[in-house]
Amino acid sequence: AQKVTQAQTEISVVEKEDVTLDCVYETRDTTYYLFWYKQPPSGELVFLIRRNSFDEQNEISGRYSWNFQKSTSSFNFTITASQVVDSAVYFCALLSNAGGTSYGKLTFGQGTILTVHP
Amino acid sequence: EAGVTQFPSHSVIEKGQTVTLRCDPISGHDNLYWYRRVMGKEIKFLLHFVKESKQDESGMPNNRFLAERTGGTYSTLKVQPAELEDSGVYFCASSQGLSSYEQYFGPGTRLTVT
Repeated sequence: AQKVTQAQTEISVVEKEDVTLDCVYETRDTTYYLFWYKQPPSGELVFLIRRNSFDEQNEISGRYSWNFQKSTSSFNFTITASQVVDSAVYFCALLSNAGGTSYGKLTFGQGTILTVHP
Repeated sequence: EAGVTQFPSHSVIEKGQTVTLRCDPISGHDNLYWYRRVMGKEIKFLLHFVKESKQDESGMPNNRFLAERTGGTYSTLKVQPAELEDSGVYFCASSQGLSSYEQYFGPGTRLTVT
């Protein structure tokens, strides 16, 4: 079975602090994909990043960085020098070819509410 | 390019009534998905269309939910009759091609059943 755990329900930081959102996943597939989505107050889910299971290189995009470690089944997301506009709900998700069906079903974590105070 | 759109944005209905949610995917996207987030819980998969065919409907909770995608364009999700536990946010997503790696989500429909 596929499972994604985001243990942090809510995080509150002050602007310019660094913050890391944790994500741990479970899957028996050897090929899978991991995602982070952002849900701002407007409600839509905004795609941030996709990572393949065979590529453990960390990625940096501006103030965002992602740390993928297969050994610990984790895919953590760090925001450096956080800003008020980063306030949102962040979801980690897993996509795998579970049971031989097509790669279609995203399995989400429960989400982490990030509040950045000025 | 227009994104995924959903209608209505909010719906408040009484228990026992019927509601139909609509999703318009990004033009040219063959794959269309429905997900649901019940209050405070994770977003859960409902079903996946490839064009007009149901590829995977393993997440549909029960037979009160009916999804259609006539002509392989927009999709509707009907709940009949609605129950209190159906309240939540219903998301639609679409993706292009056989490799559904990047799903683009709509803003969701917030359904409240009273």
